[in-house]
Amino acid sequence: IVLTQSPATLSLSPGERATLSCRASQSVGSYLAWYQQKPGQAPRLLIYDASDRATGVPPRFSGSGSGTDFTLTIRSLEPEDFAVYYCQHRSFFGGGTRMEIK
Amino acid sequence: EMQLVESGGGVVQPGGSLRLSCAASGFSFSSSWMNWVRQAPGKGLEWVANVNQDGGEKYYVDSVKGRFTISRDNAKNSLNLEMDSLRVDDTAVYYCAKSWVGAGGTRRFDLWGQGTPVIVSS
Repeated sequence: IVLTQSPATLSLSPGERATLSCRASQSVGSYLAWYQQKPGQAPRLLIYDASDRATGVPPRFSGSGSGTDFTLTIRSLEPEDFAVYYCQHRSFFGGGTRMEIK
Repeated sequence: EMQLVESGGGVVQPGGSLRLSCAASGFSFSSSWMNWVRQAPGKGLEWVANVNQDGGEKYYVDSVKGRFTISRDNAKNSLNLEMDSLRVDDTAVYYCAKSWVGAGGTRRFDLWGQGTPVIVSS
């Protein structure tokens, strides 16, 4: 299974809405997770089973999708949200989307 | 507090060996699948290996099969990765990660250590 994330880089301003995409090469049902990684830190689980928020994740983060097309949405960007985001299914990770401040 | 702490990383020459360890605390280690995930400099995440709760099932990414061995000691709440015949392209930060495995093989990595760097260079 290949997970393709787009865009590779997303330039936005605090307060804006972010939409990140992850496309699977074959159906993965709803078994997709999203992670956030800040520089020098380990990844952190944000979303699992496509749309369930992990413990402690703010409600501005939401996930949607099923089958082959998935979206991570961040409703109103906070300064601490600028990071790299990865999607994952089983032992496969997407290449990541880097979110940078515009 | 649930925690994973890796150790054992360092600089090694190509063809050399290294043993990574991960100390777990704050959760039921013996009930958890455990993993090693690595990240080469400036690159994305790559799952390396995992082991089931009692150590009877072990899986590896193709690029490390026959060179790396994952093991666990439930009495000591520890996870290990023995790395032999190291190559330059094994250079990465290695993360220990706990995974939740559900029906149909669904898996998520819900707890990560801070990582330990491995540099393979002559």
